Amino acid sequence: SQQGEEDPQALSIQEGENATMNCSYKTSINNLQWYRQNSGRGLVHLILIRSNEREKHSGRLRVTLDTSKKSSSLLITASRAADTASYFCATVGLGTDKLIFGTGTRLQVFP
Amino acid sequence: DSGVTQTPKHLITATGQRVTLRCSPRSGDLSVYWYQQSLDQGLQFLIQYYNGEERAKGNILERFSAQQFPDLHSELNLSSLELGDSALYFCASSSRPGQVSGNTIYFGEGSWLTVV
Repeated sequence: SQQGEEDPQALSIQEGENATMNCSYKTSINNLQWYRQNSGRGLVHLILIRSNEREKHSGRLRVTLDTSKKSSSLLITASRAADTASYFCATVGLGTDKLIFGTGTRLQVFP
Repeated sequence: DSGVTQTPKHLITATGQRVTLRCSPRSGDLSVYWYQQSLDQGLQFLIQYYNGEERAKGNILERFSAQQFPDLHSELNLSSLELGDSALYFCASSSRPGQVSGNTIYFGEGSWLTVV
């Protein structure tokens, strides 16, 4: 079973534009993490935000978390063709220490 | 390169067969996770081991089993294979046992299993 649903399922933008991906989850969490996966490759950890945090930045990445709405967003600013990949949110529920992944957003950035 | 090594990279086998997927975690990591990624089910957590002991179980079928050996490498055994078992199987490792503290887990490149 999956905890998170991501929206949109797919997103196509031009280089230089910003990309926003949203993640909604069902149960209370300890933390939420975002991962990136290039086609058919392994997942790479991008950023983690704890349940008591509202926003976090890492380079061109900005993550927000709204625990009242059980949702998170990942913003990639000034996107590049190399950002083309699938992006997944993953949650760690309260009382567990398992990382459960969402459905993912496929991002295509055109040069 | 995450430091997590998985073999084989690709595997094609027939229904009813049994396969073993192997994972070597990053040097020093005690925790190993197995995930299955398929088109219809997405990324599913299967099982986690920490220092040789099973720590958490997810959507792992009874036909599947795993273990972590004293040298910390892990194997995922898939038996009585069905067409629907075709998927990309990931191993991941981390230094600490759980994800509550948010320790990063590092994924291997995966083993592509095709059941024909």
